[in-house]
Amino acid sequence: DVKVTQSSRYLVKRTGEKVFLECVQDMDHENMFWYRQDPGLGLRLIYFSYDVKMKEKGDIPEGYSVSREKKERFSLILESASTNQTSMYLCASSRDRVNEQFFGPGTRLTVL
Amino acid sequence: EDQVTQSPEALRLQEGESSSLNCSYTVSGLRGLFWYRQDPGKGPEFLFTLYSAGEEKEKERLKATLTKKESFLHITAPKPEDSATYLCAVRAGGYQKVTFGTGTKLQVIP
Repeated sequence: DVKVTQSSRYLVKRTGEKVFLECVQDMDHENMFWYRQDPGLGLRLIYFSYDVKMKEKGDIPEGYSVSREKKERFSLILESASTNQTSMYLCASSRDRVNEQFFGPGTRLTVL
Repeated sequence: EDQVTQSPEALRLQEGESSSLNCSYTVSGLRGLFWYRQDPGKGPEFLFTLYSAGEEKEKERLKATLTKKESFLHITAPKPEDSATYLCAVRAGGYQKVTFGTGTKLQVIP
């Protein structure tokens, strides 16, 4: 079974702090994704990566950056956290462009 | 722009009362339609992938079907443990992006 893990289940940060969310997958998947999920808005794609050191913007990249230095690890960075970034953050991976994505357990981030 | 609409937003069933969830989509060149189950506070769990109209997939009490405009998730004789939010998503064209619907929240009452 594919396993996707995220570094924290719950995180509380202050406005202006730099925040790192980490995601690791153990199935040698090429593609990795970061989403945020908000009530009534569904899952929205922030960034994705189709290879090491490669990244592409999703629908809502503003205020975020990513890093993929190793194939199994994909990090989401909030350079200066703001209250409107309070959300559930979900990481996912997929084997290739065609197949389904597998999700991690999520990180509930609260920015005060 | 790709669009995915799920209905109803919420559904309450008695245990054993079969029903269907709907996922309507508007995309250019469907490459795959995915169903996920999400429990509160957790990440979505993959259920099915459908690729072409007429295709059907089954897993326990769940059966997913696909037409050229919509997909249905049929739930037969549901149990309380089937209570969850069910998400539909589509991938279109050659692009990596997957578009998600906002989900149907299912509650099955004993």
